[in-house]
Amino acid sequence: AQRVTQPEKLLSVFKGAPVELKCNYSYSGSPELFWYVQYSRQRLQLLLRHISRESIKGFTADLNKGETSFHLKKPFAQEEDSAMYYCAAGGSQGNLIFGKGTKLSVKP
Amino acid sequence: DTGVSQDPRHKITKRGQNVTFRCDPISEHNRLYWYRQTLGQGPEFLTYFQNEAQLEKSRLLSDRFSAERPKGSFSTLEIQRTEQGDSAMYLCASSLGGGREDEQFFGPGTRLTVL
Repeated sequence: AQRVTQPEKLLSVFKGAPVELKCNYSYSGSPELFWYVQYSRQRLQLLLRHISRESIKGFTADLNKGETSFHLKKPFAQEEDSAMYYCAAGGSQGNLIFGKGTKLSVKP
Repeated sequence: DTGVSQDPRHKITKRGQNVTFRCDPISEHNRLYWYRQTLGQGPEFLTYFQNEAQLEKSRLLSDRFSAERPKGSFSTLEIQRTEQGDSAMYLCASSLGGGREDEQFFGPGTRLTVL
């Protein structure tokens, strides 16, 4: 079965520190992977997708097929990065399969 | 606002009552998805539409749940004989196409509380 695992419920870092939010997937075939973010009082929105290989708001994520991982990284965290982050895989029907999410708290 | 909208934003009901939620997708989007999110969990897929056709239903969608998308525009999700376990945030999302790589745009959600 397709599954996305985010092992950390909460990640707390200080401003300027590096951030890595972990995501592992279980998927047959070639996965399409995404990171969605939900800021306080806002709706869920796409942060980045692996197919685009882009950096959004300083975040990057690299697909590692050997480790079946798609970790989200940022070298220097900002307070405005505090949010709920969800890793997701594109299902066979175009639906998204989400992890349970990691709450990132960036302290001043 | 040209984003996905959902109505109502909050619904409190008593166990056994029926409730209906509405989702208005982005106008040119062909795909419409319904998800459910409970506390501490990520969104879980319920069902989706390609235009007006409902093409897939998750095993999470019991017989008490029904969804429609008449004319391929807005969609409704009805829950009959609500149970306390139905309490959750119900999210709607739409996308232009149905590819696995397509971005899904989410609505603000309808929070259901069943007393």
